[in-house]
Amino acid sequence: AQSVAQPEDQVNVAEGNPLTVKCTYSVSGNPYLFWYVQYPNRGLQFLLKYITGDNLVKGSYGFEAEFNKSQTSFHLKKPSALVSDSALYFCAVRDGAGNNRKLIWGLGTSLAVNP
Amino acid sequence: DAGVTQSPTHLIKTRGQQVTLRCSPISGHKSVSWYQQVLGQGPQFIFQYYEKEERGRGNFPDRFSARQFPNYSSELNVNALLLGDSALYLCASSSQGGTVRDTQYFGPGTRLTVL
Repeated sequence: AQSVAQPEDQVNVAEGNPLTVKCTYSVSGNPYLFWYVQYPNRGLQFLLKYITGDNLVKGSYGFEAEFNKSQTSFHLKKPSALVSDSALYFCAVRDGAGNNRKLIWGLGTSLAVNP
Repeated sequence: DAGVTQSPTHLIKTRGQQVTLRCSPISGHKSVSWYQQVLGQGPQFIFQYYEKEERGRGNFPDRFSARQFPNYSSELNVNALLLGDSALYLCASSSQGGTVRDTQYFGPGTRLTVL
């Protein structure tokens, strides 16, 4: 079955430190992976996606994510966290097999960046 | 260019009432998807429309219905409201109508409260 797991409900980092938000997935075919960010009482903002090619994907606001096929992971990273990065982060996957084009979402990880 | 717009921003209804939520996609986008997001959870897929045809339906009761208009805007209707329908309703637009590479761009959402 298709699924996405974000194993950490909350991540705390100090401003200026590197951050990682974890995501693992399970699909039948090739995975198409997405990261979104949600600020309080706001909609979801697209950060980046992996479709094919280079395993390191660069996105908005200095974020990047690394696709690891063997570990079925797509962790979100940023070299130096900002207080303004504090938000809720969602990982989503689409299964390349079959005709189902529905996005499968993780439960989200709350990122708190402390000054 | 304007992003995805949704109206109204907030809505308060009582049990048993009916509600209509509206969404205008990004100019040039022909696909609209609707999601329900309950506090503390990821988005749950409700419907997708592309070129005015339903392309996908999530696991929601028949009280939920939607349509897409010739200008690609969309309405989500919910009848016989229940307390459990209280949520943030998100609309997302995309250009490719549900291919695996499709990126969805979200509106700010409509916060529905059912009393």
